[in-house]
Amino acid sequence: AQSVAQPEDQVNVAEGNPLTVKCTYSVSGNPYLFWYVQYPNRGLQFLLKYITGDNLVKGSYGFEAEFNKSQTSFHLKKPSALVSDSALYFCAVRERDSSYKLIFGSGTRLLVRP
Amino acid sequence: EAQVTQNPRYLITVTGKKLTVTCSQNMNHEYMSWYRQDPGLGLRQIYYSMNVEVTDKGDVPEGYKVSRKEKRNFPLILESPSPNQTSLYFCASSPGQRYNEQFFGPGTRLTVL
Repeated sequence: AQSVAQPEDQVNVAEGNPLTVKCTYSVSGNPYLFWYVQYPNRGLQFLLKYITGDNLVKGSYGFEAEFNKSQTSFHLKKPSALVSDSALYFCAVRERDSSYKLIFGSGTRLLVRP
Repeated sequence: EAQVTQNPRYLITVTGKKLTVTCSQNMNHEYMSWYRQDPGLGLRQIYYSMNVEVTDKGDVPEGYKVSRKEKRNFPLILESPSPNQTSLYFCASSPGQRYNEQFFGPGTRLTVL
């Protein structure tokens, strides 16, 4: 069965330090991979996606993600965290060739302290 | 402004009283979907639609119905709501290719007493 794991419920980081939010998946083939962010009392906003090609994907607000096929991971990263990055982050996957179903992880709360 | 709208934004109801949550998008998107968000469970897909009159079940379709009679609208129907359907609901839309990202509505917080 398809699944997405975000192993950390919460990630704490100091402002200015690099951050990583982890995501691993179990989906057949080479899926499309997405990251979304949810700010308090808001809907989800798209950050970035992996379709094909370069394993390092750059997205909005200085975020990037690294696709690792052998480890079936798609970790979200940012070189220097901001307090305003504090939010709930979701990883999502979709099969490339069959279903239109979109599977989300359980979410990781990022807390950036001043 | 390109957007996905949902109504109502907040709803408190009682068990068994039929309700409909509307969703509309103005981007001419083929794909629309409903999700529920529960603490610790992330977002779970309820139903999705690839185009008018084409719908399919997501991971948690029980107790919900949908219809797609027009491209812009994708209402979510709870014919006999129960307390375990208390949740935060999101509608989303996107162009029809699988690699397209979704645009989310603002959410509907539903409480079933």
